[in-house]
Amino acid sequence: ETGVTQTPRHLVMGMTNKKSLKCEQHLGHNAMYWYKQSAKKPLELMFVYSLEERVENNSVPSRFSPECPNSSHLFLHLHTLQPEDSALYLCASSQEPDREMNGYTFGSGTRLTVV
Amino acid sequence: GESVGLHLPTLSVQEGDNSIINCAYSNSASDYFIWYKQESGKGPQFIIDIRSNMDKRQGQRVTVLLNKTVKHLSLQIAATQPGDSAVYFCAENIAGNTPLVFGKGTRLSVIA
Repeated sequence: ETGVTQTPRHLVMGMTNKKSLKCEQHLGHNAMYWYKQSAKKPLELMFVYSLEERVENNSVPSRFSPECPNSSHLFLHLHTLQPEDSALYLCASSQEPDREMNGYTFGSGTRLTVV
Repeated sequence: GESVGLHLPTLSVQEGDNSIINCAYSNSASDYFIWYKQESGKGPQFIIDIRSNMDKRQGQRVTVLLNKTVKHLSLQIAATQPGDSAVYFCAENIAGNTPLVFGKGTRLSVIA
């Protein structure tokens, strides 16, 4: 347990489904991140939230929609995904600007399979 | 277990030997570096870090070396154990509030 909890651990969804990934951090951090990790492109940054405001959106398709209701929770809403979206989705948190205190803390990820 | 990064470079070492994992970073202005370990089915976990004003830092069985002249970072693992089998990533902090930049990773396989 790293202090960052992601649910579900595994998710299989059809291309017409709508689902959400959840991340919760218990570390008192003020920044949270979504990363996509696939075989072809390890660790792609998707979204960054700092103090609950989205500060970065790395040209992610609109079928991925993040939500950060408070500094402890982060969601990734998924709809009409494609098979190439199958990957491990990782959530991370950090304390900014004091990042030089062990960098980011990652959750265990959600393994997403789109069928 | 789950596979992460199927096309990563792989380093195979005999149990008990020392391992050296290398990373070339991208930006000469980077001021802070971290090594992460990712085991199958888990997220990356912090191993050790180093600031740019240092060239070596030691932890328990691990040492990180920084060569700023050639923008090179290495992770040395002493007496490698089967539990060290994982994918290892370096990350650099370029400056300010920009997100960490992660390397592609190296898969370490320990042969018992």
